[in-house]
Formats: sequence, structure tokens, C-alpha cells
Amino acid sequence: EVQLVESGGGLVQPGRSRRLSCSGSGFTFEDYYMTWFRQAPGKGLEWIGVIRNKMFGRTTQYAASVKGRFTISRDDSRSIVYLQMNDLKSEDTAVYYCTRERRELPEYWGQGTLVTVSS
Amino acid sequence: DIHMTQSPSTLSASIGDGVTITCRASQTINIWLAWYQQKPGKAPKVLISKASTLESEVPSRFSGSGSGTEFTLTITNVQPDDFATYYCQQYNSYPYTFGQGTKLDIK
Repeated sequence: EVQLVESGGGLVQPGRSRRLSCSGSGFTFEDYYMTWFRQAPGKGLEWIGVIRNKMFGRTTQYAASVKGRFTISRDDSRSIVYLQMNDLKSEDTAVYYCTRERRELPEYWGQGTLVTVSS
Repeated sequence: DIHMTQSPSTLSASIGDGVTITCRASQTINIWLAWYQQKPGKAPKVLISKASTLESEVPSRFSGSGSGTEFTLTITNVQPDDFATYYCQQYNSYPYTFGQGTKLDIK
């Protein structure tokens, strides 16, 4: 059974950093693109970025809203994908989801982790 | 970026009704459209991929159609478990983008 479990959320002050983790199990992690999304309270879904698999060089792409502040990385040996978030702003407050893509479709989603940016 | 316009934003239905949600893309996305269902406090769940392919274990009362820029999600014989928010999403190209969502509630 495919499972994705995010962790690392919590309360963080504006301007500070936070790293989220997403641990995958039940599949060959290194074969898949992994993607992060977020959802602000009461709002819709927003794509944050993707990290491709080893075959495609583990390259990344980001949404304009987070480019330069957020970084996605992966450790295939541990089946973990990370989202490093720097210079956090109040508008980054959201539930953050990681997903596993299947032929570019975000097929499996984690349960999400809430990040609250507030002083 | 590809802009997705979804309508209506809210929809009221009774058990047994049929409902349709529409999604329009600002440029062609071929068939690279997914529909998700989301319940409060839960992650989205894929219902339909490639515009019309029903995902595993999704009830057959859900169906999708369309290609290019115009898409629809239809639910026939609405059941109590179907009251939720629905999103369309294009995965033709990054950045993936979503419609604003349609909340289906009980009439």
C-alpha cells in the first residue's frame, strides 16, 4: 500500500525557516516524481513545485510564488522528499501536502501538515 | 500559466439528483485534466484522470468528459457521501493549476 506521511509543520515566526519532510512507503520511491502542494485555510489548492526522479536528473521546478525561497530535495536512500522553506511570510500559512505522481498525475497524497506563520 | 475557471462555486442537490460541474482552461490542455474530491480536513482524492478515466474504486456514478479547453464532471444519483468540494486540475504543464472549487451541499 502506497503511503505518504508529511511531518515538520507547526508555528513559525515570519522571516524564519522550516523544513518539511515527506516519507514514502509501499513503492519504489526513486522511480517517481514527487510534488508539493499547499492549501491556505478555507482556500483552494496551489501547486508549489516538483522534483523529478533520478532518471530525469532529480531536477526541480517551482511556482513563482515560492521560487527563490523554497527548495525541494530528495533522499532516495531513505524514501524522503523535503521542502525547505525560507523567509516565511504570513501568506505561507497553509496545509502542505506531498504527492506521488503517476505519469504526471498527482495520484497519491499525504495527509498534510499545517504550517502557521505568525509572530 | 494556464488559468482554470470552474463553475459553479456552489451547488445544492438532493439525494438522487444529477449534477454537472464545468471547468474551462485558458489554453488547450488536450485531455490532461483531473477531478478531485475533497472533504473537510482531508487530502484531495483523485476521481478522474485524463479527463474521462475513472480512477480505481471510484463509483461509476461519477463521469468526466471533454478535451481541449472545456471539461465537465457529472455525478448521477448523488449519494450522501458525495457532499464535498470538487476541484479540476490541469496537468498538461507545470505549474499545475486548479479551478476555484465547487462545493456540493445538501439542498
